[in-house]
Amino acid sequence: GENVEQHPSTLSVQEGDSAVIKCTYSDSASNYFPWYKQELGKGPQLIIDIRSNVGEKKDQRIAVTLNKTAKHFSLHITETQPEDSAVYFCAASRTVPSGANSKLTFGKGITLSVRP
Amino acid sequence: KAGVTQTPRYLIKTRGQQVTLSCSPISGHRSVSWYQQTPGQGLQFLFEYFSETQRNKGNFPGRFSGRQFSNSRSEMNVSTLELGDSALYLCASSLLGAENQPQHFGDGTRLSIL
Repeated sequence: GENVEQHPSTLSVQEGDSAVIKCTYSDSASNYFPWYKQELGKGPQLIIDIRSNVGEKKDQRIAVTLNKTAKHFSLHITETQPEDSAVYFCAASRTVPSGANSKLTFGKGITLSVRP
Repeated sequence: KAGVTQTPRYLIKTRGQQVTLSCSPISGHRSVSWYQQTPGQGLQFLFEYFSETQRNKGNFPGRFSGRQFSNSRSEMNVSTLELGDSALYLCASSLLGAENQPQHFGDGTRLSIL
């Protein structure tokens, strides 16, 4: 089955700096890659996603890049703010022929701390 | 638009009991998936329901079961609870489509087994 690895496990940056979080996946058939942000006491919140037919996607301060050949994808956060501090999860899934929503396989998560 | 609603938020049970958790998806969403989140194992897929049918299942024992109603609301049940079942149980809903659709999570039910 799919295996998603996320590194580093913790990341600390100064406010205003950029943060980059990387994930690798094992299943070459995976074609959907979402990123989630989870704050304490809350469920994961979808912040951006990318499909395998696209190499990069941007939404304001957040961007995601995908390298299908190397089977890795990265989350880029620019101009970080203290409210960006949270646990970030990457995930991967593949289209299921039956049309069902395929299960998401998650990385272990990274704790991002933004120092004011 | 209201998000995914999970009830109750917290539950305390003892070993051997059973528990039922509830999930109301975002209005218009017809697919509901359940995940278990623990510090050791992270987020793991339990099962997915659409149109009252389980269409996808993760690697969990038969003590974990679920169902979906005609209004898309879903419940999951865990019987004969074990200490290791202590976890945050998350429900996610999504639209049905030809490709994977974004899954939106609720804030979960925190289950503690004594």
